[in-house]
Amino acid sequence: KNEVEQSPQNLTAQEGEFITINCSYSVGISALHWLQQHPGGGIVSLFMLSSGKKKHGRLIATINIQEKHSSLHITASHPRDSAVYICAGRNLNSGGGADGLTFGKGTHLIIQP
Amino acid sequence: GAGVSQSPRYKVAKRGQDVALRCDPISGHVSLFWYQQALGQGPEFLTYFQNEAQLDKSGLPSDRFFAERPEGSVSTLKIQRTQQEDSAVYLCASSLRGAATYNEQFFGPGTRLTVL
Repeated sequence: KNEVEQSPQNLTAQEGEFITINCSYSVGISALHWLQQHPGGGIVSLFMLSSGKKKHGRLIATINIQEKHSSLHITASHPRDSAVYICAGRNLNSGGGADGLTFGKGTHLIIQP
Repeated sequence: GAGVSQSPRYKVAKRGQDVALRCDPISGHVSLFWYQQALGQGPEFLTYFQNEAQLDKSGLPSDRFFAERPEGSVSTLKIQRTQQEDSAVYLCASSLRGAATYNEQFFGPGTRLTVL
């Protein structure tokens, strides 16, 4: 059982829609990343958060430590937002090294014009 | 360059061949990580370096996998006698400080390894 679960696995939406991607984790973490991966493999870190809420442009990330849940929101979505979005937690019990991350399987987002 | 670079970007190997994948972290970054990402899956941790010391290699799938960072900067991931199940994207990431203080990881573009 993966300790980091994301939903949905795949999401197709129309341009302009409000997007929500969810991440749940089964063990305690000290920090959670939201990452964006474009075709070709490059990964960009969007947010790193351990509590509350962060906002950057049209992207918002929230985390509830008690409920072991985080969400990534995209407002006014655009086709260029199409990518795989991955959440990853630090300090999970099943490894990941001193600072290594344990990743969810990703949410494949397609925004249609 | 300003980011993490990896080479080669693509590698095709025949089964049984040895391969070496290179990672150039951001200059001055103390920590370096290797991850393996199978097709359609999230990345999985392989190994972690703090400067030249390999502090965690718990994710390496077999003794055919070996990583080094001899001078605390560039790292090489070597896979001996490659097998088809080694086909994946190998991602490298670096972060500024050591493990005592958690900080953001910056990822390279990855090396896509295909073993025929």
